[in-house]
Amino acid sequence: NAGVTQTPKFRVLKTGQSMTLLCAQDMNHEYMYWYRQDPGMGLRLIHYSVGEGTTAKGEVPDGYNVSRLKKQNFLLGLESAAPSQTSVYFCASTGYNEQFFGPGTRLTVL
Amino acid sequence: SQQGEEDPQALSIQEGENATMNCSYKTSINNLQWYRQNSGRGLVHLILIRSNEREKHSGRLRVTLDTSKKSSSLLITASRAADTASYFCATDAGGAQKLVFGQGTRLTINP
Repeated sequence: NAGVTQTPKFRVLKTGQSMTLLCAQDMNHEYMYWYRQDPGMGLRLIHYSVGEGTTAKGEVPDGYNVSRLKKQNFLLGLESAAPSQTSVYFCASTGYNEQFFGPGTRLTVL
Repeated sequence: SQQGEEDPQALSIQEGENATMNCSYKTSINNLQWYRQNSGRGLVHLILIRSNEREKHSGRLRVTLDTSKKSSSLLITASRAADTASYFCATDAGGAQKLVFGQGTRLTINP
């Protein structure tokens, strides 16, 4: 099993550009999450999903959108990137309690 | 805002010594979890302690939970160089198994 995978691993955007981050899990988990991690800080929840076709806002949702069209995939979109969105983005999934994390996407917005 | 506050922010010890990290939180919880993050990697789950448990062990890890003080501690015994990482506590306060993370403790084990 690959667990949780994320694409891309790195990306540089210019202010105002858009992009989509893809998260995929092969553990048949219902719950999936998107976090961001800024230097020296813990993870903050952006959006989450409790099942296919559902999404909900987390702690820091502004500037992001998400979709969960398939159970195994959770997409995070930035419609108009801003320098404040420079961060490392982690996806996670869980079946029960323990969350499994992807390797992260390092995004820089210039 | 983050629920968990961790102390210390950084800890440097000699190999073989024990390392203790503390976590405090603000609201009632279902469980508290500890994760490890190696530099540039994703987080890896270490151990979970439920709100009705006071202590839990897993290998060289010992976790305690004091719900009256809203605090937890993680003890790593007989530390190794491979334990060098950042350690995060995370609380599950209910609802979609969402976790709220502390800012982490950066642990360095010196050979």
